[in-house]
Amino acid sequence: GEDVEQSLFLSVREGDSSVINCTYTDSSSTYLYWYKQEPGAGLQLLTYIFSNMDMKQDQRLTVLLNKKDKHLSLRIADTQTGDSAIYFCAESSYSGSARQLTFGSGTQLTVLP
Amino acid sequence: NAGVMQNPRHLVRRRGQEARLRCSPMKGHSHVYWYRQLPEEGLKFMVYLQKENIIDESGMPKERFSAEFPKEGPSILRIQQVVRGDSAAYFCASSPPITGNTEAFFGQGTRLTVV
Repeated sequence: GEDVEQSLFLSVREGDSSVINCTYTDSSSTYLYWYKQEPGAGLQLLTYIFSNMDMKQDQRLTVLLNKKDKHLSLRIADTQTGDSAIYFCAESSYSGSARQLTFGSGTQLTVLP
Repeated sequence: NAGVMQNPRHLVRRRGQEARLRCSPMKGHSHVYWYRQLPEEGLKFMVYLQKENIIDESGMPKERFSAEFPKEGPSILRIQQVVRGDSAAYFCASSPPITGNTEAFFGQGTRLTVV
């Protein structure tokens, strides 16, 4: 079955760039997503990328997709303390009419002052 | 435009009781998805529903769990005879009819604690 893997922890200093990595196994993945979860809160969609794209930029966020290696990354420029959260990578193969997402276990980002 | 609303936010049940979790999708959204997040894990898909129809329940445990999305009212995830292992955060997401935009919006979740 599908599998999505992420490293569990990342610490960066305020103002530095953060890079969160994700690998997936499903070659039929159509969309790949990054979600942010703050303590006690739900998931906030940060950005997503379609599988025929290599890169997507949205303000401080840059998503890179290497489809050959099934590797996805999220770069946060000028990381702030408010960026401290758990970041989930997710993929959807969108088979049939069911749009269920397969999530990684999440990367806990800690931003140090 | 209110987001996906889940209630209650926190629910405590004794072993053997029933838990009922509610999800009101965003306005105009006819598709609802339920996910479960066990402690320190990612979300796992449970079930996908449209109004009065279960489309995909491949992630639902075979026993004690059921879901519905009636013509009127919220979607309900029901867990009968809860056990400690059911303690988790349950998230609901909704999306509009599938047109190519695949964004699904998540609620804040219901945190179920079984004591």
